[in-house]
Amino acid sequence: AQKITQTQPGMFVQEKEAVTLDCTYDTSDPSYGLFWYKQPSSGEMIFLIYQGSYDQQNATEGRYSLNFQKARKSANLVISASQLGDSAMYFCAMRGGTYSGGGADGLTFGKGTHLIIQP
Amino acid sequence: DSGVTQTPKHLITATGQRVTLRCSPRSGDLSVYWYQQSLDQGLQFLIQYYNGEERAKGNILERFSAQQFPDLHSELNLSSLELGDSALYFCASSVATGPSTDTQYFGPGTRLTVL
Repeated sequence: AQKITQTQPGMFVQEKEAVTLDCTYDTSDPSYGLFWYKQPSSGEMIFLIYQGSYDQQNATEGRYSLNFQKARKSANLVISASQLGDSAMYFCAMRGGTYSGGGADGLTFGKGTHLIIQP
Repeated sequence: DSGVTQTPKHLITATGQRVTLRCSPRSGDLSVYWYQQSLDQGLQFLIQYYNGEERAKGNILERFSAQQFPDLHSELNLSSLELGDSALYFCASSVATGPSTDTQYFGPGTRLTVL
């Protein structure tokens, strides 16, 4: 069974500071994908970044980067130069299993971290 | 805007009733996923369809069912509703052509309230 653990229920950060949101995972699958989603107060789920288990380099997307440490089974999200609009819930998620085409199983989500950016 | 549409946005109904939630995937996406988000259970995967056929099942109750139609839109049917079914229901879609591109994009959700 897969499991995602996010140990920070809430975080307060000053605007323009960098933020690291923690995520550890547990899986017995050799191949898996790790995702981060943002959920603002409006409720929609916004895809931020993806890291594959065989990717050699850490993923980056604009101000978002993923600090992937495979041996430690961690996939922390780093937001550089935080902005007020970054205030939201952040979810780490995993897709595991052997990909056999035709889509993949659903995502397993962590409980999320509520990030509040203060001016 | 993810390109995934869901209707209705809000739904209020009574216990014991049946409702249908509708989802249209992004253009070109063949896979549709349904998720439930509640305060006590968090975000849970319910079921996945690929090109009209059921592909994977998660924590979906027997009172719930889904289908994907030839035009690839999907419907989630919830019956004999209970108070505990009140939640935000998301639909997501993906291209499903390979693991590295199989990112799931979520719709805005349907908020279901059972009174």
